[in-house]
Parts: sequence; structure tokens; C-alpha cells
Amino acid sequence: AQSVAQPEDQVNVAEGNPLTVKCTYSVSGNPYLFWYVQYPNRGLQFLLKYITGDNLVKGSYGFEAEFNKSQTSFHLKKPSALVSDSALYFCAVRDIPTFMDTGRRALTFGSGTRLQVQP
Amino acid sequence: DGGITQSPKYLFRKEGQNVTLSCEQNLNHDAMYWYRQDPGQGLRLIYYSQIVNDFQKGDIAEGYSVSREKKESFPLTVTSAQKNPTAFYLCASSIDSVIRGNTEAFFGQGTRLTVV
Repeated sequence: AQSVAQPEDQVNVAEGNPLTVKCTYSVSGNPYLFWYVQYPNRGLQFLLKYITGDNLVKGSYGFEAEFNKSQTSFHLKKPSALVSDSALYFCAVRDIPTFMDTGRRALTFGSGTRLQVQP
Repeated sequence: DGGITQSPKYLFRKEGQNVTLSCEQNLNHDAMYWYRQDPGQGLRLIYYSQIVNDFQKGDIAEGYSVSREKKESFPLTVTSAQKNPTAFYLCASSIDSVIRGNTEAFFGQGTRLTVV
């Protein structure tokens, strides 16, 4: 089974300061990992993903995330927060499928972290 | 413009009624998904489909039904058996094949269903 934990319901940061939104995961094999952002009453927008290779992944709007296999984490980061970054952020995971594996083929999402950036 | 279209944006249902939420995509994606979003619970998977004429139950399929007769369309019916249907419903699609699975999902703008 695959699962995701986002331990913080809300993160508050001042504009211009660095931000981190935490995510840990659990999968039976190796993971594909994703971050999405959601603005009020809207769908989710894709930010970035880790598939393989470099553990530091760069994405949209200046966001990046670091994959740490030993800690099973995939924290979202940004060097300098903007007020417009205030939104709900979701981490998601799926097991890497194999040809013979007919198991679940959908993302599992965390409960979300609300990021509030103060001016 | 390519994308995923969900309709209606807002939907009101009376007790005991079935309602159908529409989801259409013109991205030529094989896989489509339905998620339910409740405050503080994140997104929970209702149903997903990897290919036309095939679909699988997710974590909370009870009280819901789907069909996948066309590649572009994946409608979700909320039946009267769903005891607490008030929620925000999100449809998504991804390129996916059985072997790959490393592609991100693209989401529609959601349908907010309220029982009155």
C-alpha cells in the first residue's frame, strides 16, 4: 500500500523568507513523487515531480523539492516566499509499476498543508 | 485549448436523487480519475480508469458509479446510496500506460456538490 503524510496543517512564513512544506511517504518499492498546489475553489495545479536521477527537483514558480530515500521524505522548498504563494499544497505518491504488477495505478495524496505568507 | 472540463461547477441534489457529474478531456490521455475532497482530509480516490471500457474502484467507491465508454469522457454518478455526498469532486487525467506511470495528472476545476 502507498501512503503520504503531511505533518503540518498550516505553515506560516514572512514574505522574502525561505519556506519548507514537509512530506513523508510510504511505498512497497520505489516511488514516483509529486507536488501540487490548489487555490480556493479550483483544481490542482502540478508543480514538480521526482521520477529518478538528481535528488533535487526544480519545478514551477521557483519551487524545488528534495528527495531523501533514507528518510522517505520529499519536502517542498522555495528560497524566497511571495504573498501569492499562499495556497493549499498537496504531496502525492505512487509505486513504480512493473510489467507484471496489476496493482493500483493512481496517485495517493496527503491531507494538504495550507501555506500562509504574510506581507 | 487542451484540458479537462468538469460540469457543472455547482450542483445541488435532493435527498434520494442520483446525480451525474461530467468530466471531458481533449488531451488524448488514456487514464482518468475521480477524487473527492473534504476539508482537512485531502483527496480520496473514488474510481479510476486506465483504458476505455475498464475501470477500478478506489478507496471510497461505495455509493458511486462510473462508465468509460469513450476515451474522452469519464462521468461519475453519485447515487442515493452515498450517505454523505456533499463535497468537492475533482476529475483528473494522465497520459499513463500500464508500464509507465511516471506522468503527472492534470485536474479539472472541480464540481461542488451540495445536498439540500
